[in-house]
Amino acid sequence: EPEVTQTPSHQVTQMGQEVILRCVPISNHLYFYWYRQILGQKVEFLVSFYNNEISEKSEIFDDQFSVERPDGSNFTLKIRSTKLEDSAMYFCASTRRTNEKLFFGSGTQLSVL
Amino acid sequence: QQQVKQSPQSLIVQKGGIPIINCAYENTAFDYFPWYQQFPGKGPALLIAIRPDVSEKKEGRFTISFNKSAKQFSLHIMDSQPGDSATYFCAARGNTDKLIFGTGTRLQVFP
Repeated sequence: EPEVTQTPSHQVTQMGQEVILRCVPISNHLYFYWYRQILGQKVEFLVSFYNNEISEKSEIFDDQFSVERPDGSNFTLKIRSTKLEDSAMYFCASTRRTNEKLFFGSGTQLSVL
Repeated sequence: QQQVKQSPQSLIVQKGGIPIINCAYENTAFDYFPWYQQFPGKGPALLIAIRPDVSEKKEGRFTISFNKSAKQFSLHIMDSQPGDSATYFCAARGNTDKLIFGTGTRLQVFP
């Protein structure tokens, strides 16, 4: 089965630093998402992206966050100035159409010290 | 109104047992209800999903029961196996494409 690939698997950063989390969605997918999961808690929606623009974002996705599809294959999440509370597992997901199966990557564990 | 409430938080069963996980929602605009299975260190993987026009859906050993009037749905795992030990999340989606997840149920199946 095709996979969503995320790198790195684990990222450690100092508070206030910028981080970029990278994702390679499945090649024929058009809709892209970031979700996050704080340890032991539920998975929370951050943002959806289609046709090179954000289609929806949650309250969590404030001005410190941005997403980009810099080329035909990568989809990135940037956190400009990380806070302790940004520590979480970040999942990228993609789908071909919005009413089809959503595929999740294995996640990037972000630890902000 | 955007919440999906899930119970129990954890569940322990013997091999062959039938664990049942329950979810409830408020938003009547939700029209797609998937269940995800998550193993440690992995992302959620779609297990089975249902739409509100049917009351039950089976795929292999997994069954979703859906009660539209009560705004509840549940996952049943028949003949559970130790390999089913994982965290299970229910979710819901309405007229946007974001999924609202439940809080998760950690299932342990002992041999």
